[in-house]
Amino acid sequence: DTEVTQTPKHLVMGMTNKKSLKCEQHMGHRAMYWYKQKAKKPPELMFVYSYEKLSINESVPSRFSPECPNSSLLNLHLHALQPEDSALYLCASSQGGRRRTDTQYFGPGTRLTVL
Amino acid sequence: AQSVTQLGSHVSVSEGALVLLRCNYSSSVPPYLFWYVQYPNQGLQLLLKYTSAATLVKGINGFEAEFKKSETSFHLTKPSAHMSDAAEYFCAVTLGSGGGADGLTFGKGTHLIIQP
Repeated sequence: DTEVTQTPKHLVMGMTNKKSLKCEQHMGHRAMYWYKQKAKKPPELMFVYSYEKLSINESVPSRFSPECPNSSLLNLHLHALQPEDSALYLCASSQGGRRRTDTQYFGPGTRLTVL
Repeated sequence: AQSVTQLGSHVSVSEGALVLLRCNYSSSVPPYLFWYVQYPNQGLQLLLKYTSAATLVKGINGFEAEFKKSETSFHLTKPSAHMSDAAEYFCAVTLGSGGGADGLTFGKGTHLIIQP
């Protein structure tokens, strides 16, 4: 099973709301990632977790707050977002460890609209 | 810093014709390169990856790519296009942060159109 699941599929929120995106994998992977993809653009890396510890934060605004409660779950908490944060949020996972050749498996994404 | 450049934001080929999608890389360390495909409203699926084991890499759905160090290229090809190949294709390289897990940096993407 090489599936990464993401919920919800779609999310509409106001600028004052607090919401969370969820990502789950059961492949035993120890690295998990959040990417943001604007329309007709490539994905851009936001965060990397390695063995449940945040290892890369690509200067993402604090209104995005990642959390990795265990090795299978990755959350992205959203608060006070701006309309320009509307995008497809992709989660990915890979085996982990010091292997730059690992394949990243992507979930289908959550399409977020901020009103 | 590692980066990739995809030449051609749109490529149109006839069904049954050769598909060639171009990717050039810039890297200060040996690069690890990937090609991903994205169908509308879906996530990304790995087509193939270069890990230095072999310069000619075969992937899924009949795609292959050749790593050419002298040309700093990793172009994606398929001998005969099928209508189902219509999608967005991304070339990517690992960021090279040296950490335990490495994010990807993507090219701008090439939209492949298949003409019947």
